[in-house]
Amino acid sequence: DTGVSQDPRHKITKRGQNVTFRCDPISEHNRLYWYRQTLGQGPEFLTYFQNEAQLEKSRLLSDRFSAERPKGSFSTLEIQRTEQGDSAMYLCASSPGGTGVYEQYFGPGTRLTVT
Amino acid sequence: KNQVEQSPQSLIILEGKNCTLQCNYTVSPFSNLRWYKQDTGRGPVSLTIMTFSENTKSNGRYTATLDADTKQSSLHITASQLSDSASYICVVTTYNQGGKLIFGQGTELSVKP
Repeated sequence: DTGVSQDPRHKITKRGQNVTFRCDPISEHNRLYWYRQTLGQGPEFLTYFQNEAQLEKSRLLSDRFSAERPKGSFSTLEIQRTEQGDSAMYLCASSPGGTGVYEQYFGPGTRLTVT
Repeated sequence: KNQVEQSPQSLIILEGKNCTLQCNYTVSPFSNLRWYKQDTGRGPVSLTIMTFSENTKSNGRYTATLDADTKQSSLHITASQLSDSASYICVVTTYNQGGKLIFGQGTELSVKP
């Protein structure tokens, strides 16, 4: 257990429905990252936060995706009007942030299946 | 385009044997290179982190090497155990990009008894 938790661990939804995932990082970590991983591939960066500010979004993050970190603690990732191509593992990671090289600690992931 | 490529894609070895996984990257400007282990259905767990000036780093039976001139890295696993069966992912970060990780596709290692 890395100290990063994600909820739910699994989600099955029908195409067109909205889903929301939650990530609770290690409490003193300033940075929070979201990644997406499809079967047989390495994770791909989606977005990251420094405290409550969303500093970068990947082009993978279409306008159906939105992420928030309202008080600089937990974060949510919402997918609207889900499509079958959204089926993947969604990983959250946190790190202390700032200058320097820091470890990123990953949560167990949320496995999304869109039927 | 920043890319990280790994070989082989998959590998099967017998318990107790050694193996070496390879990673080539074209990420620039380079900051650091990491190796992660990912068990099926779990999040990745860090094994090693190396900066530009480091050539080798060990973590128990895992030894990573880095040649920043040729942009190549390797992960050597000694005396493999059944629990080493997992995906091993090479990851590179660049400067001034908030620490976001650029992942390779991973090498799927299977250790057989």
